[in-house]
Parts: sequence; structure tokens; C-alpha cells
Amino acid sequence: QKEVEQNSGPLSVPEGAIASLNCTYSDRGSQSFFWYRQYSGKSPELIMSIYSNGDKEDGRFTAQLNKASQYVSLLIRDSQPSDSATYLCAVNLYRDDKIIFGKGTRLHILP
Amino acid sequence: EAQVTQNPRYLITVTGKKLTVTCSQNMNHEYMSWYRQDPGLGLRQIYYSMNVEVTDKGDVPEGYKVSRKEKRNFPLILESPSPNQTSLYFCATRGLYGYTFGSGTRLTVV
Repeated sequence: QKEVEQNSGPLSVPEGAIASLNCTYSDRGSQSFFWYRQYSGKSPELIMSIYSNGDKEDGRFTAQLNKASQYVSLLIRDSQPSDSATYLCAVNLYRDDKIIFGKGTRLHILP
Repeated sequence: EAQVTQNPRYLITVTGKKLTVTCSQNMNHEYMSWYRQDPGLGLRQIYYSMNVEVTDKGDVPEGYKVSRKEKRNFPLILESPSPNQTSLYFCATRGLYGYTFGSGTRLTVV
């Protein structure tokens, strides 16, 4: 099993709808989880971090963490064309304190 | 403003010609890292440094060297570049809230 897995997409979502991005991880002891947004040819930028089970909201973004099921998700409400990007899930592995990135999910918001 | 500065942004070079990509940060972070990103392969760590004079291999270190003589700088050195090192490279620092990335260097080796 890969350490951090994401569906590569593309995920197409109509403008104004909710985009749901998912990520699973293998290290059960992991404590820190991050979502990065990356536009084509640009560097990843941190948009959300989450450390506790449950939901964390920041504007139109909500990160959800379920440690028992080893998944973390990102919801984007009221999706805008400017949200079209690749979203990288990153997990701070407990066993060696490394941050491992998933390969990313391409999101396409349809105008 | 907190920054990670990489140079150059774009570089085309020939096989075997030594090159250095510079990385500098102003956040006083101890941990710095180099990644390469290739289509379908995601971000792969090349080398990382946990502090001055402390460096270690990541997942794909072959063909690369690094040094960390001072806290703010972490250059990536390709002693003899080959076409399979054509890629998008990112320097990053790690703070309390995850990574901050530089703007990237697109390297083409012909």
C-alpha cells in the first residue's frame, strides 16, 4: 500500500457546487495532515492543515480528518473556476517524522 | 515577507555541464529540502537538511549533491547533468505548519 494515496482525477465539478477531494494514508500513527493547491507550473501552496479528528473550516474550504479510517478529505464549497488546480495531500508520518505527498488530484471547475 | 527564493527559474543546459540551483530562505527554518516533480510521479524528495552541516538523502538522490554551510542557503548541485534530470525542481523549508515552497526551477538537460 502506498503511504499517501489520492485519486489522480481529473475531477470535474460545476461552478458553484461542492468539490470533494479524498486522501488515504497508511501510517496509523500520523498526526499532521496538510492540503496544498498547485496551479500548473507553479509551486504548491498550503491551504489547510488539520491535526484532530473532525472538521476544520476556513472560508470556503473544510478539511475533514478520520484517523480511525485513515482518511482526510477537503471540501471546497461554492467552487470557482479559479479553484481549478491540482490538490496535494501531505501527511507527516509518525514513524520517521517525514512529510509524504500524494501524487495529487486534478480538479476542474466547469464554468 | 516570509520567502523561499530559488534561482534560476528556467535553465536549459547540456549534458555533463555542472550547474547549481540556489535556494535561500528568510524564515530561520532549520529544515530544508529539495524535491523534483515529474508528470505522474508527484513530488519526490532528493535531499534534505535538518540543520547546518547536516544533510541526508531523500528518495531520489542519485546524480545530485547538496551543501548546507549556513542556515539560510541550501544549494542543489548537479555535477554532470543528464537528460533524465530534466524536471521541475522545488526547494522547500519546513516550519510548524508544514512546508513553504520556492517558486520552482524548470531544468531542461539536452
